[in-house]
Amino acid sequence: NAGVTQTPKFQVLKTGQSMTLQCAQDMNHEYMSWYRQDPGMGLRLIHYSVGAGITDQGEVPNGYNVSRSTTEDFPLRLLSAAPSQTSVYFCASKRRRNHQETQYFGPGTRLLVL
Amino acid sequence: GQQVMQIPQYQHVQEGEDFTTYCNSSTTLSNIQWYKQRPGGHPVFLIQLVKSGEVKKQKRLTFQFGEAKKNSSLHITATQTTDVGTYFCAVSNTGKLIFGQGTTLQVKP
Repeated sequence: NAGVTQTPKFQVLKTGQSMTLQCAQDMNHEYMSWYRQDPGMGLRLIHYSVGAGITDQGEVPNGYNVSRSTTEDFPLRLLSAAPSQTSVYFCASKRRRNHQETQYFGPGTRLLVL
Repeated sequence: GQQVMQIPQYQHVQEGEDFTTYCNSSTTLSNIQWYKQRPGGHPVFLIQLVKSGEVKKQKRLTFQFGEAKKNSSLHITATQTTDVGTYFCAVSNTGKLIFGQGTTLQVKP
């Protein structure tokens, strides 16, 4: 299994540009989520999904859109990039087995918005 | 919404010293998870605690869940340079996993 994969690894955008961060998992996990990580802020939840066709907002959803058309993929779209969206973005997926919830993270996408 | 406070934010120790990070919530938790993130890496799941007063050990790491299920701690005995990184606690809330701010550990050899 490849686990959770994210592309691209690095991206530089100009203010106002749009882009999509890709995330895929091959573990048949129902739950998927997107976090952003900024210095001193920990990991903040942007959007999450409990299954295909279902998405919901996290702590900091403004400026981002998501969709979940398949179990495997959970792309994150920046509609109009702003410098405040400069961050490291992590995608994660979660299994639930015997009441234990183990979340797996992708390697991250480092985004710089100029 | 669910919030969890984690302290301290940073900790510098000499190799061989012990280290502890604490997570506190104002509400009762159903469970708590701990993750480790190495510099430049991604968070990696360490453990989940579910039961009141639960204590679990992984080699030199000891995890505790408070009796009231409102706090938790991670204790590392005799730190090594390989322990360097940021340790996060995380709590579940209606399908969402909310993270504490993390404690960054630096170990001087």
